[in-house]
Amino acid sequence: GNSVTQMEGPVTLSEEAFLTINCTYTATGYPSLFWYVQYPGEGLQLLLKATKADDKGSNKGFEATYRKETTSFHLEKGSVQVSDSAVYFCALFSNTGNQFYFGTGTSLTVIP
Amino acid sequence: DAGITQSPRYKITETGRQVTLMCHQTWSHSYMFWYRQDLGHGLRLIYYSAAADITDKGEVPDGYVVSRSKTENFPLTLESATRSQTSVYFCASSARTGGYEQYFGPGTRLTVT
Repeated sequence: GNSVTQMEGPVTLSEEAFLTINCTYTATGYPSLFWYVQYPGEGLQLLLKATKADDKGSNKGFEATYRKETTSFHLEKGSVQVSDSAVYFCALFSNTGNQFYFGTGTSLTVIP
Repeated sequence: DAGITQSPRYKITETGRQVTLMCHQTWSHSYMFWYRQDLGHGLRLIYYSAAADITDKGEVPDGYVVSRSKTENFPLTLESATRSQTSVYFCASSARTGGYEQYFGPGTRLTVT
């Protein structure tokens, strides 16, 4: 079946620290992979995506590389800001299931 | 440029009552989705719709009913609310399927007492 596993939170970092949020997946076929971000009181917004192996998605200083050999799509940012505080969701879209599958979310708090 | 809106934003209801959550999008997107968000589960798909008058079940459809008579509206009805349906509900829309970006509404926080 299809599923996404992401690291447990919450994660607390100081401003300018390096961020990694781990995400691994199980999927049939060749899924597309996504990171969504949810700011307090809002719906989810697409942060970045990758549609095939070795693709790198990037946006707002965040990056993630689609690694088929390790079935991973880890989210990274070199220097986090207070404004990055949010909940981050890893997700996959499977053509065989024809729907999105979301991870449980990782809460990030960045302190000044 | 309202995008996608949900109403109400907050709702408290009693067990056994019927409640309808509304979702409206202004982009004429073909696809619309209902998710519930619960701690420890992330988002789970309840129902989705590929076009007006076409709906299909997602991962957790039991206890919910949807309809889509117009492209822009996709209401979700809990016919007889239960405490286990206490959750935050998100509506989303997408122009196409196949992994295209979904645009999410702000959510409805529903409490069933």
